[in-house]
Amino acid sequence: KQEVTQIPAALSVPEGENLVLNCSFTDSAIYNLQWFRQDPGKGLTSLLLIQSSQREQTSGRLNASLDKSSGRSTLYIAASQPGDSATYLCLRWARGGTSYGKLTFGQGTILTVHP
Amino acid sequence: NAGVMQNPRHLVRRRGQEARLRCSPMKGHSHVYWYRQLPEEGLKFMVYLQKENIIDESGMPKERFSAEFPKEGPSILRIQQVVRGDSAAYFCASSPGLSTGSHEQYFGPGTRLTVT
Repeated sequence: KQEVTQIPAALSVPEGENLVLNCSFTDSAIYNLQWFRQDPGKGLTSLLLIQSSQREQTSGRLNASLDKSSGRSTLYIAASQPGDSATYLCLRWARGGTSYGKLTFGQGTILTVHP
Repeated sequence: NAGVMQNPRHLVRRRGQEARLRCSPMKGHSHVYWYRQLPEEGLKFMVYLQKENIIDESGMPKERFSAEFPKEGPSILRIQQVVRGDSAAYFCASSPGLSTGSHEQYFGPGTRLTVT
């Protein structure tokens, strides 16, 4: 059973569109949630981190929200560009029996933005 | 401020040999995390360390794998007697300590291990 699910698995859009990527998780006892992008053959670049006490974070054209009650985080990308093409990953840090819980990645959304 | 550094970037080992992967966290970061990305699979958490302390190793295989983060020097992920199934990209991440209130993780470029 996948604890962290990302929908859609892949997305192909023309340049300029506004996009919504979803990350759902089964355990709402969350410590934080972090969004990354990964380019082929590369490491991960941190985009946004949302702490448990926060509802959303913004950076440039990116906005991430967190709804613990529904177990969902959404990454919104405004005015998409070909350079946004990458795999987008969410990382959930769930609260465990101690302060340190379980770190789980979603499977990712592969985004392609066409010129 | 240099980012998270990992070396080597590529490592080839024959079955039965040992693999040592190194990770130097960002300056000022005292927490290190190791993840593994198997071919065509997602990223899986392996271990979380502070200086001289293993905090959570729930994702580490029980045998052949070990990790350390000594007081001085990089964090080391060690794989003994490697098998073909160990071929993967191994990523290290670091974050500031609890005193900053942030566990934002910054990733290194990864070490790609190939077992022949």
